[in-house]
Amino acid sequence: NAGVTQTPKFRVLKTGQSMTLLCAQDMNHEYMYWYRQDPGMGLRLIHYSVGEGTTAKGEVPDGYNVSRLKKQNFLLGLESAAPSQTSVYFCASSYSGLEQFFGPGTRLTVL
Amino acid sequence: EDQVTQSPEALRLQEGESSSLNCSYTVSGLRGLFWYRQDPGKGPEFLFTLYSAGEEKEKERLKATLTKKESFLHITAPKPEDSATYLCAVLGGATNKLIFGTGTLLAVQP
Repeated sequence: NAGVTQTPKFRVLKTGQSMTLLCAQDMNHEYMYWYRQDPGMGLRLIHYSVGEGTTAKGEVPDGYNVSRLKKQNFLLGLESAAPSQTSVYFCASSYSGLEQFFGPGTRLTVL
Repeated sequence: EDQVTQSPEALRLQEGESSSLNCSYTVSGLRGLFWYRQDPGKGPEFLFTLYSAGEEKEKERLKATLTKKESFLHITAPKPEDSATYLCAVLGGATNKLIFGTGTLLAVQP
């Protein structure tokens, strides 16, 4: 099992550009999550999903959109990137909504 | 509001020098307290879940304990490979949202 995988690993954007981050899991987990991690602030939840076709807002959802069209995939979109969105993004999945298992992360820089 | 505070922010130990990391929390209706390990440039790796006060979990040199207000991660005779950032998180009430602390950066010197 590959667990949770994220694509791409690194990306540099210019302000105003758009992009999509892809998260995939092969553990048949119902729950999936997107976090951002910034120095001194810990992991903060952006959006999450409790099953295929569902999404919900987390702690810091502004400027991001998500979609969960297939159970194994969870996409995070930035429609118009801003320097404040420079961060490391982590995807996680969970079978029961308790223990979460994280991917390797995507390091995004917005110039 | 659910909140997690970890201390110390950083800890430097000599190999074999046992110590403890603290995670203080306030949450409405604890459903679980979670410990993760994070190596530089990698995603958090799940270590333990604790569900109720008095519970303990062990894995190699690590032991996690839980009271009604805090959790401790005890590290016995640490080795350099135990160096990492240790994260604590809580899940409370009817929420699906984990609340993370900012972590303790542990460095174990040979």
